[in-house]
Amino acid sequence: DAGVTQSPTHLIKTRGQQVTLRCSPKSGHDTVSWYQQALGQGPQFIFQYYEEEERQRGNFPDRFSGHQFPNYSSELNVNALLLGDSALYLCASSFASGGEWVKNIQYFGAGTRLSVL
Amino acid sequence: GQNIDQPTEMTATEGAIVQINCTYQTSGFNGLFWYQQHAGEAPTFLSYNVLDGLEEKGRFSSFLSRSKGYSYLLLKELQMKDSASYLCAVRADNTDKLIFGTGTRLQVFP
Repeated sequence: DAGVTQSPTHLIKTRGQQVTLRCSPKSGHDTVSWYQQALGQGPQFIFQYYEEEERQRGNFPDRFSGHQFPNYSSELNVNALLLGDSALYLCASSFASGGEWVKNIQYFGAGTRLSVL
Repeated sequence: GQNIDQPTEMTATEGAIVQINCTYQTSGFNGLFWYQQHAGEAPTFLSYNVLDGLEEKGRFSSFLSRSKGYSYLLLKELQMKDSASYLCAVRADNTDKLIFGTGTRLQVFP
């Protein structure tokens, strides 16, 4: 049973460029959440996708956008990259039983390390 | 606002017991999670508490007091492989969004 997989593992971009990160959830999961983790910090919630719609969003600018596909996989897009966007981007998947999240555990992928030069 | 506090760093000796504390102030509460994260790796789930009390799972235990906004993770019989960051996270509402603390970096020495 494959866990959460993310690609690519590492990425180097320059300021102003655009980037797309990809995530495949754990088998049986239908919800994908994205987090940004700066060095030495805890993960910060970017947004969450459920039933192909953005369900909730954290305090991130609209340069950060996403998408969820019918097979529950997801993409995170970041436009007009800034140096401060350099971080580890984590995807987490979970299962929402009828939209409820009682005792719902999020499983994380290994992340994509993005460096913006 | 939402705030999760935990110590930045802790050290301990192999075979010992260590307690990592976490205090939280959130607009709501719908569960507290502990994750372990080795450098450069994914956070891995350790424990979940939603009711007051102690949850035990092998060498790891987690405690919650909702009235005090307080939790701790207890690691027994420490091993070198337990050197990692330990993340405390709260689910503050009825969605799957987690609010994380900055993490506690634990170093275990021989």
